[in-house]
Order: sequence, then structure tokens, then C-alpha cells
Amino acid sequence: GENVEQHPSTLSVQEGDSAVIKCTYSDSASNYFPWYKQELGKRPQLIIDIRSNVGEKKDQRIAVTLNKTAKHFSLHITETQPEDSAVYFCAASLSNFNKFYFGSGTKLNVKP
Amino acid sequence: EPEVTQTPSHQVTQMGQEVILRCVPISNHLYFYWYRQILGQKVEFLVSFYNNEISEKSEIFDDQFSVERPDGSNFTLKIRSTKLEDSAMYFCASSGYRGSNQPQHFGDGTRLSIL
Repeated sequence: GENVEQHPSTLSVQEGDSAVIKCTYSDSASNYFPWYKQELGKRPQLIIDIRSNVGEKKDQRIAVTLNKTAKHFSLHITETQPEDSAVYFCAASLSNFNKFYFGSGTKLNVKP
Repeated sequence: EPEVTQTPSHQVTQMGQEVILRCVPISNHLYFYWYRQILGQKVEFLVSFYNNEISEKSEIFDDQFSVERPDGSNFTLKIRSTKLEDSAMYFCASSGYRGSNQPQHFGDGTRLSIL
């Protein structure tokens, strides 16, 4: 089955700096890669997703890149703010309605 | 914005007892899921449900577990003969119709503590 690895497990950045979180996956059949943000005690919320027919997607300060050949995808957050502090999870799936395989999460701390 | 709702938020149960975790998916969604997260570990898929039947399940989802959609709005996860290792956060999720671009929306989770 699919195996998703996520790094780093914790990331501390200064406010205004960029943050990059990386994930790799094992199953070349995976076609859908969402990223979820989970604040303490709250539900995971989708922040951005990408499908395999696209190499990059951007939404304001957040971007995701996908390299299907290398089987890795990354989340980029620019101009980080303290409210970006949370745990971020990547996932891989055949599609948005198939089961998700999650990474182990990255705890991002943005220092003011 | 519509949300997936889960009840209770925290359930404490004696080992060996049965628990039912409840979820109300987003009303026009057709696919329903249960995931769990043991403290400090990855979120793991348990089961997906579509058209009133299980469409996929993981190795974790053995005979101890069952799911049901008892009416038009609720989606439940039953765990029989609970064990200490069932202690985890259980998340319900739902998504739209096949071919749509709607992502899986998650509920707030139920924290299950087995004593």
C-alpha cells in the first residue's frame, strides 16, 4: 500500500520567513495530494490540494509543488504569520473520494 | 460553511464495553469515512462508506468495528469489546460525488479513552 513520509516533524521560523514542508509517497498510482492544517483541539482543515496533472498550485501565501517522477510534493508558506502556527499534514490518495494516506505531521511554530 | 459534526467530543469507556461514535456528514455529500489518530501517530484510514455499504476498509477495521447509516443524516462507528489500544482520536469525514473536486471535510473528532 501507499506510504507517505513527511519532514520535518517540527519547524520553527521567524515571522515573515518562509516555511517548507516536504512529503514523499511510494505509490505511483496516487493522483491527489491534499494538505490539511490542524490547530490545537480543532478539526483538520484543507488548505490546498493538487492533482497529478499539475506541477504547482498557488493560493495567496500558500503554494504546493508536485514532482511525480520523484514522487514528492511540498508545501510552501511565504511571509509566515503567528496564526500559521499549527500542525500540517500531507496526504496522498487515488482521488479526493478515495482513502487518504497521511504523513506524520509537521508542527510549525511561527515566532513573532 | 457546512461542517461535519461529531458527538461526543470525548468518550470515556471501560475496557470491554461497546461504544458508538456519531457523525453528521455534510448534507449533500455521498462518501463517508472514519479515520483514527492514536496520540503521537499518523492519522489512519479505517473505512469508507458509499451507497449504504462499505466501499473500502483497512486492516485495522476488523470484526470489532462496524459502521451504519441509520437514517438520512447520521453515520455511526461502533466499536465492540473495546481494548486499551482503541484509545485514540476518531475523525469522521465526508466528500461529494464521484468526479467532483470537493475535498474530504473532517469533523472535530471524538477523543475515545478506554480505561
